[in-house]
Amino acid sequence: SAVISQKPSRDICQRGTSLTIQCQVDSQVTMMFWYRQQPGQSLTLIATANQGSEATYESGFVIDKFPISRPNLTFSTLTVSNMSPEDSSIYLCSVESQGVEKLFFGSGTQLSVL
Amino acid sequence: QQPVQSPQAVILREGEDAVINCSSSKALYSVHWYRQKHGEAPVFLMILLKGGEQKGHEKISASFNEKKQQSSLYLTASQLSYSGTYFCGTTYTRGSNYKLTFGKGTLLTVNP
Repeated sequence: SAVISQKPSRDICQRGTSLTIQCQVDSQVTMMFWYRQQPGQSLTLIATANQGSEATYESGFVIDKFPISRPNLTFSTLTVSNMSPEDSSIYLCSVESQGVEKLFFGSGTQLSVL
Repeated sequence: QQPVQSPQAVILREGEDAVINCSSSKALYSVHWYRQKHGEAPVFLMILLKGGEQKGHEKISASFNEKKQQSSLYLTASQLSYSGTYFCGTTYTRGSNYKLTFGKGTLLTVNP
């Protein structure tokens, strides 16, 4: 199983600022995923981050708003840019388990935008 | 397309059984089940692939009906630790097993 460290665990930010969320995995993984979970809601995939290539964004999410870095096989960052109160959510990174077809999730970053 | 889960919420007494359903309007390739406790990350329970198999994990099992395009999660003799929100995640094509579309979740509360 993969151990995922995600930080910060929570933050309160001002409108118009940006926040970068870090995700560190204890083993090398090919694909990392970023999800958003709005209060009391389901998980929505933001993008898939592959090492060595640009992230692939889902419908409704754009790179300018959610730039992603993936410098190596164990680390990724998601930035939430020019935040508004509508960005208040839990952001989760997840990774696939090699050959086992399941996702492991980080503990999430609870973001509140004032 | 987001799968539809039912019921939205269920309250049980310890020892009772529950069934959570996950339906799709589109042909499914796989169904994944996760449980999320409040303030924690979702935890993988099981995956079912196209083929109608049934899987079990202690007193939690699931079935996948390809024709009906749905999966059901069965919780038998529920324990307090079963409380949480259950999500099904679906894929529609082979090779996209990690790109899941999640349902809205079913909140399960088990009381003593």
